[in-house]
Amino acid sequence: NAGVTQTPKFQVLKTGQSMTLQCAQDMNHEYMSWYRQDPGMGLRLIHYSVGAGITDQGEVPNGYNVSRSTTEDFPLRLLSAAPSQTSVYFCASSYMTPRTGELFFGEGSRLTVL
Amino acid sequence: SQQGEEDPQALSIQEGENATMNCSYKTSINNLQWYRQNSGRGLVHLILIRSNEREKHSGRLRVTLDTSKKSSSLLITASRAADTASYFCAQNAGGTSYGKLTFGQGTILTVHP
Repeated sequence: NAGVTQTPKFQVLKTGQSMTLQCAQDMNHEYMSWYRQDPGMGLRLIHYSVGAGITDQGEVPNGYNVSRSTTEDFPLRLLSAAPSQTSVYFCASSYMTPRTGELFFGEGSRLTVL
Repeated sequence: SQQGEEDPQALSIQEGENATMNCSYKTSINNLQWYRQNSGRGLVHLILIRSNEREKHSGRLRVTLDTSKKSSSLLITASRAADTASYFCAQNAGGTSYGKLTFGQGTILTVHP
């Protein structure tokens, strides 16, 4: 199994450009989420999904859009990139069971907005 | 924000010593988890402790949970240079989406050979 796969690993954007960070998992996890990691801030939840067709906002959703058309994929869209969105983005997934809640993380996508 | 706090922010020890990291959180939880992150990599799950558990072991890891103080600690015994990484606690808030985790800011552990 590949686990959680994120693409691209690195991206440089200019202010105002849009782009999509891709996330795919092959573990048949119901739950998928996006976090951003900034120095000294830990990980902050952007958006999450508990199944195909269902999404919800996390702590820092502004400037980002998500959709979940399939169980496997959960893309994150930056609508109009800003320098404040320079960060490392992590996609994570898990089974929807109260017995675990263990998240499986991708390797991250490092985004720089100039 | 439900974000927890971790203490210390950085810890430097010699190989063979024990490392203890602490985590405090603000609201009631369903479970608390610890993750490890090597530099430039994604996070890896280490251990999960439920709100009705007080202590849990996994190899050289020992986690305690005190719900009355809203705190948890991670002990790594007989540390190795390969344990050098950042360690994060994450809380799964009670009654909410089971996978929705709120992370602390992490402890950077450096183990010197």
